[in-house]
Amino acid sequence: TQLLEQSPQFLSIQEGENLTVYCNSSSVFSSLQWYRQEPGEGPVLLVTVVTGGEVKKLKRLTFQFGDARKDSSLHITAAQPGDTGLYLCAGEEKKSSGDKLTFGTGTRLAVRP
Amino acid sequence: NAGVTQTPKFRILKIGQSMTLQCTQDMNHNYMYWYRQDPGMGLKLIYYSVGAGITDKGEVPNGYNVSRSTTEDFPLRLELAAPSQTSVYFCASSHPRGHYSNQPQHFGDGTRLSIL
Repeated sequence: TQLLEQSPQFLSIQEGENLTVYCNSSSVFSSLQWYRQEPGEGPVLLVTVVTGGEVKKLKRLTFQFGDARKDSSLHITAAQPGDTGLYLCAGEEKKSSGDKLTFGTGTRLAVRP
Repeated sequence: NAGVTQTPKFRILKIGQSMTLQCTQDMNHNYMYWYRQDPGMGLKLIYYSVGAGITDKGEVPNGYNVSRSTTEDFPLRLELAAPSQTSVYFCASSHPRGHYSNQPQHFGDGTRLSIL
């Protein structure tokens, strides 16, 4: 079973601060997805990164896929209370039996006004 | 489109009881998945299906069964509920991923299950 470790597990910051969340594995994935989950809801996709070294930006969020496609990071600039939630990375395996996602352990972010 | 609909939203079971968690999607997705999420944790794959009539085990299938008789529905059954099965269960669906395109998984809002 492939494992994805996220760090930190919990993060509480003040509005306006910057932060980075890391997602690490010893395995190579064909792509990596980042989701955000709010209480009482299912995860919602933020972005998919496919190519080693790829960088994608979504407003104040910057996602990077490691060159070896084993790790990824999410950087948030000038965090806002609306960014509060559980951030999950998920590595994709393409197999003949079907595409599967392996989810990371999650990073719970709280942004204080 | 309603997306992925899960019922019930909440349920309390006694040890040894059985129940079926319902999941239906109206997006004509081939792939469907069941996950469980324990407090403060990520999601663990229980079972998945790549199409009607086809199911496969995920990471934590013990104590669960699934069926996929139609494209739309993917029910998850607990035969003998145990306290270790207390969790939030999420159903998801997606299109198959082509070689150059990546399709997101669409999740329902979850079923919160407590076994006492």
